[in-house]
Amino acid sequence: AQSVTQPDIHITVSEGASLELRCNYSYGATPYLFWYVQSPGQGLQLLLKYFSGDTLVQGIKGFEAEFKRSQSSFNLRKPSVHWSDAAEYFCAVGASGGSYIPTFGRGTSLIVHP
Amino acid sequence: DAGVTQSPTHLIKTRGQQVTLRCSPKSGHDTVSWYQQALGQGPQFIFQYYEEEERQRGNFPDRFSGHQFPNYSSELNVNALLLGDSALYLCASSYGQLGELFFGEGSRLTVL
Repeated sequence: AQSVTQPDIHITVSEGASLELRCNYSYGATPYLFWYVQSPGQGLQLLLKYFSGDTLVQGIKGFEAEFKRSQSSFNLRKPSVHWSDAAEYFCAVGASGGSYIPTFGRGTSLIVHP
Repeated sequence: DAGVTQSPTHLIKTRGQQVTLRCSPKSGHDTVSWYQQALGQGPQFIFQYYEEEERQRGNFPDRFSGHQFPNYSSELNVNALLLGDSALYLCASSYGQLGELFFGEGSRLTVL
């Protein structure tokens, strides 16, 4: 079965600084990979996804992520963080050869200082 | 275009009671998935309904059951509630079983 590890529970950055959130997955084949964001009191919103092809994926709100098969990673990046980016971020992996149902990590809470 | 709507938004139950949560999918979607999100954790997959049948199920006991109606809306039922069932229950809809998931804002269940 697939699994996801998000090693950072909390990340604090200053507004305008760059951001990288780490995600490592476990799956025997090429996975489907996702990043979701959850703001307080709201549901999850898909930021970006990787199914195949170009390993650098562009998403909404200026986010991007890079699939690195050799490192089993799918880290999320943003060059300049805005205060409105403060939220919970979840990485998820789906089984490309099976059910596709995303399995989520425990999340990383992003705190943005002015 | 209404997104995924869930009701109720908050509810409080006591141990041993039963609860029903409801979900209306996004317009045009025919598949509904349910997730449980405990405090400080990521969402955990409960089950998925398509064509009014449970198609996939996560590692949850039989106390968790569901239903999908002909209009694609869905219910999640939990019997014999335990304190550990306290969580945010998220509904996600998609077009087909492989479609992108769109999430509702969730139903916050507290079991006392």
